[in-house]
Amino acid sequence: EILMTQSPATVSVSPGERATLSCRASQSVGSNLAWYQQTPGQPPRLLIYAASTRATGIPARFSGSGSGTEFTLTIRSLQSEDFAVYYCQHYDNWPTFGGGTKVEIK
Amino acid sequence: QVQLQESGPGLVKPSETLSLTCTVSGYSISSGYYWGWIRQPPGKGLEWIGNIYQSGSTYSNPSLKNRVTVSVDSSNNQFSLTLNSVTAADTAVYHCARQPRSRPFTWFDPWGQGILVTVSS
Repeated sequence: EILMTQSPATVSVSPGERATLSCRASQSVGSNLAWYQQTPGQPPRLLIYAASTRATGIPARFSGSGSGTEFTLTIRSLQSEDFAVYYCQHYDNWPTFGGGTKVEIK
Repeated sequence: QVQLQESGPGLVKPSETLSLTCTVSGYSISSGYYWGWIRQPPGKGLEWIGNIYQSGSTYSNPSLKNRVTVSVDSSNNQFSLTLNSVTAADTAVYHCARQPRSRPFTWFDPWGQGILVTVSS
């Protein structure tokens, strides 16, 4: 099983500022990495796949980078609707998810 | 627009079998792609359960120790999950989702809203 570790567990950010979220894999997953956003009572929404490709309809303020074992999700100029929990997921073999990072209002 | 909707009992007794169905609209399962199940215990993270291709080829999470069966009913555009010998640890919101590539391990998009299944006597 490939373990996915996200950090920090919680990040406090002011609206309009940038948030940087990290995801680390216990072994290389290449670029087989996705990011999701989840708000309370809603299912996860795909943001990024293949480490850096934005899903359809996702604003350009969301960007993903990295490969191998280290990945980053950057959210530029946070909007009110961006305060949520974010999960990474690898799909190099059977999928596993990170524990999530909560982005809260500072 | 592809939409998925889970259905099934919200309460299952310990040691019994959990059975859920996912109904897909806006896309024909027979057209391809894998279709998966993911669960989320209350207040916790996400766990992939298993998936199925329109041909019937399936994969499941090894950590669930052969308790999982995923099946497909293309005529009704549905796929289903059964999980045997449930315990309280199987209490979770169960989501179905499309895996938008014709290979078994990909990302998930879109997701169903989810259904809470509680295991309790």
